[in-house]
Amino acid sequence: NAGVTQTPKFQVLKTGQSMTLQCAQDMNHEYMSWYRQDPGMGLRLIHYSVGAGITDQGEVPNGYNVSRSTTEDFPLRLLSAAPSQTSVYFCASRLTGGWDTEAFFGQGTRLTVV
Amino acid sequence: EDKVVQSPLSLVVHEGDTVTLNCSYEVTNFRSLLWYKQEKKAPTFLFMLTSSGIEKKSGRLSSILDKKELFSILNITATQTGDSAVYLCAVRDYNTNAGKSTFGDGTTLTVKP
Repeated sequence: NAGVTQTPKFQVLKTGQSMTLQCAQDMNHEYMSWYRQDPGMGLRLIHYSVGAGITDQGEVPNGYNVSRSTTEDFPLRLLSAAPSQTSVYFCASRLTGGWDTEAFFGQGTRLTVV
Repeated sequence: EDKVVQSPLSLVVHEGDTVTLNCSYEVTNFRSLLWYKQEKKAPTFLFMLTSSGIEKKSGRLSSILDKKELFSILNITATQTGDSAVYLCAVRDYNTNAGKSTFGDGTTLTVKP
């Protein structure tokens, strides 16, 4: 199993550009989420989804959009990149929307906005 | 708003030492606490704790939860250089849809030969 696959691994953007970070999982997990991790900090939740067609905001959603048209894919869109969005982005998935399941993380996307 | 505080923020030990990492939390309606290990890239799951006083153990790692005092500890005995990583603690609560996780800032553990 591939698990959770994120692309690209690295990306440099200019301020104002837009782009989409891709996330796909092959474990038939209903729950998917996007986090950002800044130096010396833990993971902060951007957006999450409990199933196809359902998304909701996390603690730091501004400047990001998501959609969930299929169970497998959960892309994260940066609408107009800003230097403050320089970070490492992790996608995660877990089985069902329940509380007692572990999350599986992708390998991360390191984004630099100049 | 849920809050998770980990201590210490960083720790340097020598191989063979025993370490204890702390995680305290404030959650309106606690459901579970999870520990992850992050080596360079993606966090990987270590333990999930939902009940007080029941130790979870995996090899040299163990963890326990105290729901009265609102904290958990992660113990690593006979540390090895391969234990060097950032250890993340996260809590989930009943109030949020599908149990969103709130993470602490992590403890960076460095194990020297």
